[in-house]
Amino acid sequence: GAGVSQSPSNKVTEKGKDVELRCDPISGHTALYWYRQSLGQGLEFLIYFQGNSAPDKSGLPSDRFSAERTGGSVSTLTIQRTQQEDSAVYLCASSTQRGETQYFGPGTRLLVL
Amino acid sequence: EDKVVQSPLSLVVHEGDTVTLNCSYEVTNFRSLLWYKQEKKAPTFLFMLTSSGIEKKSGRLSSILDKKELSSILNITATQTGDSAIYLCAVQSGTASKLTFGTGTRLQVTL
Repeated sequence: GAGVSQSPSNKVTEKGKDVELRCDPISGHTALYWYRQSLGQGLEFLIYFQGNSAPDKSGLPSDRFSAERTGGSVSTLTIQRTQQEDSAVYLCASSTQRGETQYFGPGTRLLVL
Repeated sequence: EDKVVQSPLSLVVHEGDTVTLNCSYEVTNFRSLLWYKQEKKAPTFLFMLTSSGIEKKSGRLSSILDKKELSSILNITATQTGDSAIYLCAVQSGTASKLTFGTGTRLQVTL
C-alpha cells in the first residue's frame, strides 16, 4: 500500500526565493502534519490539518511560512523569501484522525544557499 | 510546554549486545508516547504506548511506559547492524494533535 509521499526529495534554492513543498498523505487519512528537522535537532512541529482546515498553526516560525490543504488530501508548504536558517528536512505525516499514530513521508531536504 | 528528553545521545555497541534507550517526558494531559526509528529521512513507526497499553513487543524490540516515573524505555536484544539508526521518542498530549519529539538517540551497532 502507498505510504506518505513528498516531493521534491531534495531542493536547493537561493536566498530570497520562494519554495513549495508537496505532501501526499496516505489515502483516507484526515489528519496531516508538517514538521521540520534541522541538523542535529529533533523534529519540530509546524502545522496540523484536519481535513482542509488548520486548527493548529502554532509551530510556523514566521509569516514567511504558510500551508494549505485541498480536497482533504494533498498539502503544500510554502516558504517565501527563503533564508539560510530555513535549511532543514521538512517532513510530512498523516494519521487516520487526530490522536492516532502518525506515519511519516520520506521528507524534502531543503538547502538555501 | 511539553518536553521530551532522551538518553544517551549516542551509543556504540557490538552486534549481539542488548541495549536500553531512555525517554523521559513532561506533558500536560498525557495521551500517548511513540517510538520511531530514523535511518535516513523518514521516521518509521515502532510503538505507541498509552495508559491502556503500557508494554509493547515486536520481535527483538520491546518498550515499556512508566507513567509514575514519566518515562519509557526501548529495549533491543541481540542487536544487528541493521538496527543502526536514530531512535526518536515523542509524546502527544490529549489537548494537542502535534507530537513533541526528543532529539533522539543515535545507535551504532558494529561487527
